[in-house]
Amino acid sequence: SQKIEQNSEALNIQEGKTATLTCNYTNYSPAYLQWYRQDPGRGPVFLLLIRENEKEKRKERLKVTFDTTLKQSLFHITASQPADSATYLCALFNQTGANNLFFGTGTRLTVIP
Amino acid sequence: DAGITQSPRHKVTETGTPVTLRCHQTENHRYMYWYRQDPGHGLRLIHYSYGVKDTDKGEVSDGYSVSRSKTEDFLLTLESATSSQTSVYFCAISERTGGRETQYFGPGTRLLVL
Repeated sequence: SQKIEQNSEALNIQEGKTATLTCNYTNYSPAYLQWYRQDPGRGPVFLLLIRENEKEKRKERLKVTFDTTLKQSLFHITASQPADSATYLCALFNQTGANNLFFGTGTRLTVIP
Repeated sequence: DAGITQSPRHKVTETGTPVTLRCHQTENHRYMYWYRQDPGHGLRLIHYSYGVKDTDKGEVSDGYSVSRSKTEDFLLTLESATSSQTSVYFCAISERTGGRETQYFGPGTRLLVL
């Protein structure tokens, strides 16, 4: 069966440290993978996209890696701040089928001051 | 929220009643989606639309219908609400450029079916 798993439901880290979130998938052939941020009571907001032929993508303090051999993406937030506290969702765009975008269940990140 | 509004934002209803949720966009996007979000399940696609009067089923379409008579409006109807349809419902639009799709979400509708 197809699955998208995010490493943990919740992650707590100290302010200033690097947060690393994991997204693993099985039985998908993603053309690209995306990361979204969701704050309580709000809809998800797009952060980054990485294509299958890209190893790494950066945007300010965010870094995403994509390993199609391991079927895994890592999402890093460096120099984390309390304002980074949110739920982070990965989503992959599958190369086959009409309904192409699939979401993981998310990881709730809390950055402790 | 990328010009997307949802109404109502909160609703409480009783089992067996019909419910219609509305999604309105102001930017003329072709693709629109309805998702539900539940603990432990993430976002699951209910139905989507790829143009006026063009709709298709998603992963969890049973018990739901949709209509799109105008580009800007996408309606989701629960024909006879059940307690299992208690959820947060999100509408989304997508931009498809250069072979990639990015989705933008509305603020959500919290539905409680008693």
